[in-house]
Amino acid sequence: DAKTTQPNSMESNEEEPVHLPCNHSTISGTDYIHWYRQLPSQGPEYVIHGLTSNVNNRMASLAIAEDRKSSTLILHRATLRDAAVYYCIRSNFNKFYFGSGTKLNVKP
Amino acid sequence: DTGVSQNPRHKITKRGQNVTFRCDPISEHNRLYWYRQTLGQGPEFLTYFQNEAQLEKSRLLSDRFSAERPKGSFSTLEIQRTEQGDSAMYLCASSSRTSGRIPETQYFGPGTRLLVL
Repeated sequence: DAKTTQPNSMESNEEEPVHLPCNHSTISGTDYIHWYRQLPSQGPEYVIHGLTSNVNNRMASLAIAEDRKSSTLILHRATLRDAAVYYCIRSNFNKFYFGSGTKLNVKP
Repeated sequence: DTGVSQNPRHKITKRGQNVTFRCDPISEHNRLYWYRQTLGQGPEFLTYFQNEAQLEKSRLLSDRFSAERPKGSFSTLEIQRTEQGDSAMYLCASSSRTSGRIPETQYFGPGTRLLVL
């Protein structure tokens, strides 16, 4: 199965770090890992992507396991605006394989 | 705003009717994608275009579904003889083709929510 596996939901306190896990045990050597998030009534928006090395950008960090069978999206300081469904995606060239996503709830 | 736009945002129709959705991608993007998203699930790929050529179709795209991108700009997705199972969010995304193995970032529109009664 090309889809990824994520927990259905997670909860975090505002201003605290959040670690969102993803399992992609059948990933091939050339597949990239992307993370998108989806706010209510909106389309998914890009968060970060990587291949083998850990990646950082202004929104988040992506930690990829050495065997590439799992990854973790890290939000360093969760805000209320980060409450969304987070999707971990495998991509083969330009084809995206979405999982069911993790609904992140951020408590004030 | 130069993002991806979709029209209409909502559509309610009766079973058996035909519906058509429109997607306007980001102007310089040559790739355009259609996805379907049902409640509680992630988007599922339906089809994609590079310029005006439809390069791939998912097995989810039954013969009642047809997509076009006649001039390589906007795209339409038509569903004929709608069924209740077609009720879903239909998402459009666009991207710029990259060289080599650099992955593309897909930019999504807000979607069209279809309800078939």
